[in-house]
Amino acid sequence: GAGVSQSPSNKVTEKGKDVELRCDPISGHTALYWYRQSLGQGLEFLIYFQGNSAPDKSGLPSDRFSAERTGGSVSTLTIQRTQQEDSAVYLCASSQSPVQQETQYFGPGTRLLVL
Amino acid sequence: QQQVKQSPQSLIVQKGGIPIINCAYENTAFDYFPWYQQFPGKGPALLIAIRPDVSEKKEGRFTISFNKSAKQFSLHIMDSQPGDSATYFCAASPGSTLGRLYFGRGTQLTVWP
Repeated sequence: GAGVSQSPSNKVTEKGKDVELRCDPISGHTALYWYRQSLGQGLEFLIYFQGNSAPDKSGLPSDRFSAERTGGSVSTLTIQRTQQEDSAVYLCASSQSPVQQETQYFGPGTRLLVL
Repeated sequence: QQQVKQSPQSLIVQKGGIPIINCAYENTAFDYFPWYQQFPGKGPALLIAIRPDVSEKKEGRFTISFNKSAKQFSLHIMDSQPGDSATYFCAASPGSTLGRLYFGRGTQLTVWP
């Protein structure tokens, strides 16, 4: 079956511009996560959605970052007024349920470069 | 603050060797420890995971060893192959925070033929 898909695969933008990154989770998965992967820094948790519950936004690094999930499916991560330090790979993952032993399936990521 | 510390940062072994990647944590609330494998240009994929009620788990050539008292766990790859060349991440999750994973910084493994 189809895995997690993300678009665009690559995004180059200028400092100060806004960007939107999209994630399509696996159909039927109720939990959705966003992580950021910077060179040599591992994966940094950003935000987590579970069903209709309020999202866990505790990992968002600043108020320039926001995310939404419409209809319990597709999610969009928005970065406003991008900075060079925002350059990273943004990974989306989904799991069938939020319990910890459920595998998180990752998409291929969106590579963001801020010039 | 890095909640899961992973070492080494990079590792080079010859085919057939047994690379070992180590991780340590401080948060005693962690009770789920997965390892993810990532190939260039791809997202991470779950390789193997362990709960602290067992000290070792083996799946194929991959083994996790877990030392609860030392708060350490490690990944061993038996009979390593060039196709195992990838970046490996350890992670941990507390039962109280459903779903969220805390990742180590990754180990880039190269297996020479």
